[in-house]
Amino acid sequence: GAVVSQHPSRVICKSGTSVKIECRSLDFQATTMFWYRQFPKQSLMLMATSNEGSKATYEQGVEKDKFLINHASLTLSTLTVTSAHPEDSSFYICSAASGTYGYTFGSGTRLTVV
Amino acid sequence: AQSVTQLDSQVPVFEEAPVELRCNYSSSVSVYLFWYVQYPNQGLQLLLKYLSGSTLVKGINGFEAEFNKSQTSFHLRKPSVHISDTAEYFCAVSGGFGNEKLTFGTGTRLTIIP
Repeated sequence: GAVVSQHPSRVICKSGTSVKIECRSLDFQATTMFWYRQFPKQSLMLMATSNEGSKATYEQGVEKDKFLINHASLTLSTLTVTSAHPEDSSFYICSAASGTYGYTFGSGTRLTVV
Repeated sequence: AQSVTQLDSQVPVFEEAPVELRCNYSSSVSVYLFWYVQYPNQGLQLLLKYLSGSTLVKGINGFEAEFNKSQTSFHLRKPSVHISDTAEYFCAVSGGFGNEKLTFGTGTRLTIIP
């Protein structure tokens, strides 16, 4: 149990376009989804926390209009990077959380904006 | 507020030697402690966790950690490392299990020397 699928694993997009990243909990219901960003050789930086059916809570300094988070069901959350620019290039990781399994991480998405 | 300190950014160890990765935390509430491992371009895999009970926690791949409340530490140990243990290791703390955000340390890069 406790498997999280994150897609795509890698994406290259042109500057100014939008990219959607999906995070699915395959065999459990996630009460909360967390989205992280990781720069090379650095730790994970929490971007936002989302609960099913409610608006995401963004960490200080994270632009909510640029990083749109949707948590439509207990098994699916999406992160959309809008009007992406080269500085948005990074490794994005989701984590699906439940009281039963704790925190389960996706395999990450490497976003490159050219 | 919670915080995690991993003092060692890099730890080189000879193969089959023992290793200890240090983690200290601060928290004003009950803590739940975790160690994760991250291989290149992948998400995080849980090594072990402390929720309550016995202070010595055993995890996967031969790792163990000891919760020391008086020293606010949760050091990770392995008696004999292998080449395959080369990875980034993150210590994390949460005030809840699955319902509150994880706060990560800056990570320790473990390099095994043949």
